[in-house]
Amino acid sequence: SAVISQKPSRDICQRGTSLTIQCQVDSQVTMMFWYRQQPGQSLTLIATANQGSEATYESGFVIDKFPISRPNLTFSTLTVSNMSPEDSSIYLCSVGQGAREQYFGPGTRLTVT
Amino acid sequence: AQTVTQSQPEMSVQEAETVTLSCTYDTSENNYYLFWYKQPPSRQMILVIRQEAYKQQNATENRFSVNFQKAAKSFSLKISDSQLGDTAMYFCAFMKPLTQGGSEKLVFGKGTKLTVNP
Repeated sequence: SAVISQKPSRDICQRGTSLTIQCQVDSQVTMMFWYRQQPGQSLTLIATANQGSEATYESGFVIDKFPISRPNLTFSTLTVSNMSPEDSSIYLCSVGQGAREQYFGPGTRLTVT
Repeated sequence: AQTVTQSQPEMSVQEAETVTLSCTYDTSENNYYLFWYKQPPSRQMILVIRQEAYKQQNATENRFSVNFQKAAKSFSLKISDSQLGDTAMYFCAFMKPLTQGGSEKLVFGKGTKLTVNP
């Protein structure tokens, strides 16, 4: 199993600003994933972050808006840039254990005013 | 691209009774993995049950079981003896196998909000 922590757990931000979300895992993992969950909606994958390479973004998500860092095998950050109210969501990071299970962090609730 | 459909936005059940949540999916893959995740109000995503497509036997985990119909691309979740703590959003999810270009990423359905009433 993997234990994942995220910081901050929640934040309220002004439009036009940026927020960096941190994700820490208690074991080394190759892939980390960032998901967005808009209010009352399902989870949508933003990007896959591999250590030592550029993140792979899903359709509809771009690096300029959601830059991701992956400096080592236990840590990743997601930045939400130039925020607008439409970015108000829960952002979750996760790691996989092959195809057995994917473990999720507790999420970061972001509100943009 | 794979899609996952949950046609029941909300459901309710009386405590101790049985409820079934529906999920269908669309894929051209032959081997893949299916999951049910639970998200209570705490937001924490919790794995409920997992099914490997190449296994014909339906997965079970205590009070939770699935009815996996591969030909129909259906993957329903049955919760027996419902408990108040089962109240949560339930998401059905699909994963491609790693050996066929998968990357452990999950494709989720829109979710079903389940309320267990006392």
